[in-house]
Amino acid sequence: DAKTTQPPSMDCAEGRAANLPCNHSTISGNEYVYWYRQIHSQGPQYIIHGLKNNETNEMASLIITEDRKSSTLILPHATLRDTAVYYCIVRVGLGGGADGLTFGKGTHLIIQP
Amino acid sequence: DAGVIQSPRHEVTEMGQEVTLRCKPISGHNSLFWYRQTMMRGLELLIYFNNNVPIDDSGMPEDRFSAKMPNASFSTLKIQPSEPRDSAVYFCASGNWGQETQYFGPGTRLLVL
Repeated sequence: DAKTTQPPSMDCAEGRAANLPCNHSTISGNEYVYWYRQIHSQGPQYIIHGLKNNETNEMASLIITEDRKSSTLILPHATLRDTAVYYCIVRVGLGGGADGLTFGKGTHLIIQP
Repeated sequence: DAGVIQSPRHEVTEMGQEVTLRCKPISGHNSLFWYRQTMMRGLELLIYFNNNVPIDDSGMPEDRFSAKMPNASFSTLKIQPSEPRDSAVYFCASGNWGQETQYFGPGTRLLVL
């Protein structure tokens, strides 16, 4: 799997949009971008994934650049409960249940009241 | 659905003792994963199973670690003998081919004295 680079930490004010960047300059054509998050003392939680088109679900939006070398996860209206470590993972899209995930260090997002 | 169930949630043992961690995946899922999380190494994949068959155990640190999946609804991770460096949070996750997410359990917090 290609490697990713994320800032170690970020702050965001409650109610504002949180934009979390991820660089994956060595991504291959058949690799997807996945985002998971881990709230303190809990197991990781799936957020969203995409290949090359922008994606949106009830939790977040994922913006992937045209060259696919970077992406941004957007939490549109951050709440205190969004404080967590966010992991950007690049992997071949066989289906999330097919093989294991390789986690990096992630970004610790802190939502400030 | 109850989600992925892990037991025990906390385990304190002495060096040299055998430790058995248990996992019940989400019903109907055909993939099961064991991960370990420490401050130093982050989240690491230890082993995963598809249809109860171990597919990749390259992440198992050494022969003291073993994992089994006797049926689709139960898996164990055993450490024998345990050492203080095995202290970590152990997560079990399950998923399915064709689905894009893995579902993580709450984890077992292991402390080896």
